[in-house]
Amino acid sequence: EVQLLESGGGLVQPGGFLRLSCAASGFTFSSYAMSWVRQAPGKGLEWVSDISGNGGSTYYADSVKGRFTISRDNSKNTLYLQMNSLKAEDTAVYYCAKELGGYFDLWGRGTLVTVSS
Amino acid sequence: DIQMTQSPSTLSASVRDRVTITCRASQSISSWLAWYQQKPGKAPKLLIYKASTLESGVPSRFSGSGSGTEFTLTISSLQPDDFATYYCQQYNTYSTTFGQGTQLEIK
Repeated sequence: EVQLLESGGGLVQPGGFLRLSCAASGFTFSSYAMSWVRQAPGKGLEWVSDISGNGGSTYYADSVKGRFTISRDNSKNTLYLQMNSLKAEDTAVYYCAKELGGYFDLWGRGTLVTVSS
Repeated sequence: DIQMTQSPSTLSASVRDRVTITCRASQSISSWLAWYQQKPGKAPKLLIYKASTLESGVPSRFSGSGSGTEFTLTISSLQPDDFATYYCQQYNTYSTTFGQGTQLEIK
């Protein structure tokens, strides 16, 4: 079955860190760029970061640049998002998404990150 | 960043109605636009890409049109399953952006 499954979300204090994972199955993971997209409670969608299929190119939204790091392990079919210096405004459901020419044709179910003291 | 503005923000309609949602880009994005449907507590689902290409498995009552800066998503005959929030997304640049969403409600 073609799917993405995120994990690693939870409650963290401001200034803390968290690492999200996204396990992919059912497709040739290394052939596709992947993204993280987040959605704050009751709000719209915000692209966070993406990474090329071989991991050689990465891009970030200005809101997370310098704090978040995207990476992937193609031998494990897994995408990661290391989130440091977390702020209250990073509170959101984080989705991983498979890219196809810039749009997202497959999404995971999401993992909730709550930044609060 | 390219700003995407959807209208209306909320739309009330009835089953079998024809509805149209508009998405405007702050600069030309050619046809690099996608539409998604999201239901509460669920991930977004791709409906249309490249402005007018229907994703496999999406019902033909959904259609998209437009190019440049103005785009529309039309549902020709609303079904109960269509009441959801709809988002447009531009992917003309690597810094992709979404519209703020249009919530489609039952009248």
